Amino acid sequence: DAGVIQSPRHEVTEMGQEVTLRCKPISGHDYLFWYRQTMMRGLELLIYFNNNVPIDDSGMPEDRFSAKMPNASFSTLKIQPSEPRDSAVYFCASSWDQGYGYTFGSGTRLTVV
Amino acid sequence: GDSVTQMEGPVTLSEEAFLTINCTYTATGYPSLFWYVQYPGEGLQLLLKATKADDKGSNKGFEATYRKETTSFHLEKGSVQVSDSAVYFCALSEDSGYSTLTFGKGTMLLVSP
Repeated sequence: DAGVIQSPRHEVTEMGQEVTLRCKPISGHDYLFWYRQTMMRGLELLIYFNNNVPIDDSGMPEDRFSAKMPNASFSTLKIQPSEPRDSAVYFCASSWDQGYGYTFGSGTRLTVV
Repeated sequence: GDSVTQMEGPVTLSEEAFLTINCTYTATGYPSLFWYVQYPGEGLQLLLKATKADDKGSNKGFEATYRKETTSFHLEKGSVQVSDSAVYFCALSEDSGYSTLTFGKGTMLLVSP
């Protein structure tokens, strides 16, 4: 398996634009997690899915953020409109268990100018 | 709620020095404990784990022992290399099966030749 695949690796966008981050989890993993990492706040769990259903989105910072998982092999995290304070590295991870065996993707570094 | 506390970094060492990164935790049950490592520009990777008290996890020369009496899971390595320079995250997972991983804030390790 190629691991968790995220795209793009880097994204630079202007304030106010829509940004879509993509993730392909490992086949057979029932859980998918979206994290945000910044120097100030460290690693934050934004939302996670089980069998394509959102389970906990309490970490999503604002209504500008939304996430979907239309099928077992694809998820998106969308920010609309984007703001400079959204600049961070966004990680997707998948697992066969809610609290065990997470495999992380390489992340998307988002810069909003 | 559950929490993980790590020593603040950066930890700066010379090659072949002994490494200790402290980690203590707070949990209501009997958690599993993990160390993840993040190399520059990459996602987090599982380094080692321990699932019950007195277990020792080990990998790539790193070790950590699950100490229930002191609620600790300190990471150690006898002789660090420049290639060990990375950020190290301590994490826990409750045994209830209904919680996600709880991460510490991470400790950066810098090893100089």
